[in-house]
Amino acid sequence: RKEVEQDPGPFNVPEGATVAFNCTYSNSASQSFFWYRQDCRKEPKLLMSVYSSGNEDGRFTAQLNRASQYISLLIRDSKLSDSATYLCVVDSTGNQFYFGTGTSLTVIP
Amino acid sequence: DVKVTQSSRYLVKRTGEKVFLECVQDMDHENMFWYRQDPGLGLRLIYFSYDVKMKEKGDIPEGYSVSREKKERFSLILESASTNQTSMYLCASRSGGSNEKLFFGSGTQLSVL
Repeated sequence: RKEVEQDPGPFNVPEGATVAFNCTYSNSASQSFFWYRQDCRKEPKLLMSVYSSGNEDGRFTAQLNRASQYISLLIRDSKLSDSATYLCVVDSTGNQFYFGTGTSLTVIP
Repeated sequence: DVKVTQSSRYLVKRTGEKVFLECVQDMDHENMFWYRQDPGLGLRLIYFSYDVKMKEKGDIPEGYSVSREKKERFSLILESASTNQTSMYLCASRSGGSNEKLFFGSGTQLSVL
């Protein structure tokens, strides 16, 4: 079983839509959780950390459900510039990050 | 802001060549990592290092070695490149605290012919 699993998509949504991505992880002892964004042919960059109580950054909301071992990312009012691949990242041991394969999002005018 | 620099953006090598991929970070981070990224497989950890001269195998170390002689530099070595090592290679670093994020270099697209 993979450490981290994501629906690869693709998600094609119109501008202004709300879209949600989920990600599940297998190690219940995992400590830290992140969402990274990767543009085509670029390196991944941190979008946001995910905290136990959930957290919001502008149009982006991240949630963690430890009991069900999943994290989610909600994007409201989608912009064309949100088109990218979103990577779910789990730090299982304090020093080994596991990446999902990414979910592809295309926002359509 | 943290800068992680990889020496080459694109590399083309021949089967059997020895290949060095260099990575330098400027934020005095203890931890450095080498990943490869392939379509459908995501990022997979090759090796990581948590201190000078220290190294740990990741999930796919076969065919690779690493060197960390100085804190800021972490090198990935392909002793004898093979075609199945054609991939995007990403270096990353982070500080030693918990919940600290990874900073990535811009990647090296290696093609082995």
